[in-house]
Amino acid sequence: DVKVTQSSRYLVKRTGEKVFLECVQDMDHENMFWYRQDPGLGLRLIYFSYDVKMKEKGDIPEGYSVSREKKERFSLILESASTNQTSMYLCASSLALAGDSYEQYFGPGTRLTVT
Amino acid sequence: QKEVEQNSGPLSVPEGAIASLNCTYSDRGSQSFFWYRQYSGKSPELIMFIYSNGDKEDGRFTAQLNKASQYVSLLIRDSQPSDSATYLCAVRGSGGYNKLIFGAGTRLAVHP
Repeated sequence: DVKVTQSSRYLVKRTGEKVFLECVQDMDHENMFWYRQDPGLGLRLIYFSYDVKMKEKGDIPEGYSVSREKKERFSLILESASTNQTSMYLCASSLALAGDSYEQYFGPGTRLTVT
Repeated sequence: QKEVEQNSGPLSVPEGAIASLNCTYSDRGSQSFFWYRQYSGKSPELIMFIYSNGDKEDGRFTAQLNKASQYVSLLIRDSQPSDSATYLCAVRGSGGYNKLIFGAGTRLAVHP
């Protein structure tokens, strides 16, 4: 069964703290993605990775960085958390070559609050 | 900026009726189109995908695609209260890496 897990469901951090969000998939997928979801704005892509140690910026990378040292693990890092980074963070993974039936599988999400 | 537009709703339909959810997209090079369902507090799950013009049916769900009009829709027949959720339209564009662009979602409420 397909599984994407995220390290925390809920997280509360203070402004200026360094925050690590971790995502692990057990499907041997090449692609992994980090999104944030805010009311009225939908899912917005922060970063994605198409291979170990490879990464590409998404639509809103400012204030974030990522790390992918192993194929199954993709970490999102907030170098200095700010209140405007309060959001739901969703990790997803997919096969690189899946044809038209391509699907992204999502983790349960981490609701981050920065105070 | 390549965009995917959806009416935010809420779309309210009575139980047993047909719910019609619509989505437009701006990238003419888009290849595949997806409908995800997201229950409150949960992560999105894929309902259907479509890549050819016309209709695709799966149980009570029908996806419709018109590439000339850059329009994709989802019909839910015999709507049930358990269908109440936010429906996200997603488009795989021409940019590679299997990136999806998501709409903001339409909230559907099915009332008994």
